[in-house]
Amino acid sequence: NAGVTQTPKFQVLKTGQSMTLQCAQDMNHNSMYWYRQDPGMGLRLIYYSASEGTTDKGEVPNGYNVSRLNKREFSLRLESAAPSQTSVYFCASEDREEYEQYFGPGTRLTVT
Amino acid sequence: DAKTTQPPSMDCAEGRAANLPCNHSTISGNEYVYWYRQIHSQGPQYIIHGLKNNETNEMASLIITEDRKSSTLILPHATLRDTAVYYCIVRPYSGGGADGLTFGKGTHLIIQP
Repeated sequence: NAGVTQTPKFQVLKTGQSMTLQCAQDMNHNSMYWYRQDPGMGLRLIYYSASEGTTDKGEVPNGYNVSRLNKREFSLRLESAAPSQTSVYFCASEDREEYEQYFGPGTRLTVT
Repeated sequence: DAKTTQPPSMDCAEGRAANLPCNHSTISGNEYVYWYRQIHSQGPQYIIHGLKNNETNEMASLIITEDRKSSTLILPHATLRDTAVYYCIVRPYSGGGADGLTFGKGTHLIIQP
């Protein structure tokens, strides 16, 4: 039982490049989330998915797209990376009984 | 507007109980109190949650005042590995939905050897 996994762990992009952050969970959770964390700050929600095929914007969705490929996987895409998107990105899934969220180890992204 | 207020930092000696306070004076009747922690560079980790009764699990105890306007997270025998930022979060017991979890700045707990 791996929990929530994220790839890659680290990434450096140049301004304007694109990339997809991958997230998968093996806990059979319906809800999944993408957050970003800037230095010294709490996490902020980018996108949320209640179930396969559904997504909703969070607090800071601009510059991002998401795809809920199936129940296990929820990916985050940066179409044209900007230095302001330098951050640590966390994926989470949520248990529907106790509403606890389980987080992945994060992807550390630097955009130069 | 912040829903919770926590001290920015606290120290505790190893082996002693760490008591982390949280004020949530505007909590609604359908909102629970959740605690998470984030050890440096790692993803946040769920600790415990409660509505109005005191709760205990293998990690910690949660004491919620009778008026529900404040709570205290207790780590009974703190170890160096408990050094982390601790977040107190209030949210409805129907999941976060598109609101997710609202993380403030939390309390940086430092366990001293």
